[in-house]
Amino acid sequence: ETGVTQSPTHLIKTRGQQVTLRCSSQSGHNTVSWYQQALGQGPQFIFQYYREEENGRGNFPPRFSGLQFPNYSSELNVNALELDDSALYLCASSISGRAYEQYFGPGTRLTVT
Amino acid sequence: RKEVEQDPGPFNVPEGATVAFNCTYSNSASQSFFWYRQDCRKEPKLLMSVYSSGNEDGRFTAQLNRASQYISLLIRDSKLSDSATYLCVVNRVAAGNKLTFGGGTRVLVKP
Repeated sequence: ETGVTQSPTHLIKTRGQQVTLRCSSQSGHNTVSWYQQALGQGPQFIFQYYREEENGRGNFPPRFSGLQFPNYSSELNVNALELDDSALYLCASSISGRAYEQYFGPGTRLTVT
Repeated sequence: RKEVEQDPGPFNVPEGATVAFNCTYSNSASQSFFWYRQDCRKEPKLLMSVYSSGNEDGRFTAQLNRASQYISLLIRDSKLSDSATYLCVVNRVAAGNKLTFGGGTRVLVKP
C-alpha cells in the first residue's frame, strides 16, 4: 500500500449538488495532485498543490477547486455537479522535485444522478 | 489529437508468451516518460521509468524513440498476474511537472 488515503470510497450525488473529497498524503510528501478518471480512460490531471498553493491546473472549469492544508492533506471540491462528473477521483502525493513519481490513493468513485 | 495515445487493446496473450505495445506522444518537448500499471478497479502504480537508452526491469523492457515520438513496453514470459491496464505517461517540466496519461492498453494473460 502507498500510504495515501482517500475518503469517502464511494459517493452518490444529484446533479447541481456540491461535493468535497479528501486525501491524506504519504508521510514526507509535500505535493498533492488530483486526477479524474472516467470509465475506460486514463487519469486526467485536474490540479496540483504544493505548500498550500495551486501549482498547475489542467483543463477543468473553475467549479473544480481545491485546498492543501499545513499537514499536506488536501481537498477537492466540485460545485454544481454535472452528470459527466461521474468518475473515479484519484489523489496522488509526491515529493517536490520528483513529481513524476506519484503515489496514488485508492480513489473516490463519484456517481452523479 | 490527444497528447498521449495508446491502443486500448485488449491484447490477449498466452501465458509464457511475449507481448509488446507502443504509445505515441504529440508534444516534442516531453521530457520524461513512464509506464504505470493499473489493476481493475485499483489505483495506478509506477511500473518503470523509460530512459533514452532503453531499460529493463526483470521481464519488462521499455524503449524510447524520440525521433518518432513513441515509447514501447515489452513483457517477456507473461504471467497471469501481468493482466492489467498499462498506462503510458509523459511529463514536461515546463508544464509544472504535470503527468499526462494515455488511455491505457489492456493486457489479458490467459492460461
